[in-house]
Amino acid sequence: GAGVSQSPSNKVTEKGKDVELRCDPISGHTALYWYRQSLGQGLEFLIYFQGNSAPDKSGLPSDRFSAERTGGSVSTLTIQRTQQEDSAVYLCASSLAPDLMYTQYFGPGTRLTVL
Amino acid sequence: AQRVTQPEKLLSVFKGAPVELKCNYSYSGSPELFWYVQYSRQRLQLLLRHISRESIKGFTADLNKGETSFHLKKPFAQEEDSAMYYCALSGTSYGKLTFGQGTILTVHP
Repeated sequence: GAGVSQSPSNKVTEKGKDVELRCDPISGHTALYWYRQSLGQGLEFLIYFQGNSAPDKSGLPSDRFSAERTGGSVSTLTIQRTQQEDSAVYLCASSLAPDLMYTQYFGPGTRLTVL
Repeated sequence: AQRVTQPEKLLSVFKGAPVELKCNYSYSGSPELFWYVQYSRQRLQLLLRHISRESIKGFTADLNKGETSFHLKKPFAQEEDSAMYYCALSGTSYGKLTFGQGTILTVHP
């Protein structure tokens, strides 16, 4: 079946602009994760959603970053007033349930470049 | 705080040689450890996890709590093993992962 999809695949924006990144998890997967892959920091956890529970936002680097998950499915990561240090590949992953026995399946990522 | 350290950014071996990718972690509790792999132009994917005690594509990893290590090993490397490998740790029950910086493995013919 279809895997995790993300859009856009590439996004170039100017410093100070807002961007929205979208993630479509695998159908039926209740757990959704956002990570960031950057040259200087490697792979970092950003935020986690599970059903209607309050998300774990502990990895969001600043209040310019926010995310929501509507209807327990699609998720949007929003970065306001983008900075050059926000340039990275943003990865989304989903798993059937929030349990370590369930594999996290990653999307292809959105490459964000802030000029 | 939890941390995963992969001391080698680059590792090169010849086909048929043994390979070991090092991973050390720091965590106060009992974490679960994972290895993820990203082949060229492919998505990041799970290679193996400690909790399952599995061997995938000939790779194994043993958790050494005394040395806080989870090194990935394969006795005979293949060219198709060339990829970026990430060691990851979860200190939560729901899979929030802390990744190492990654090791690029190149297997030469």
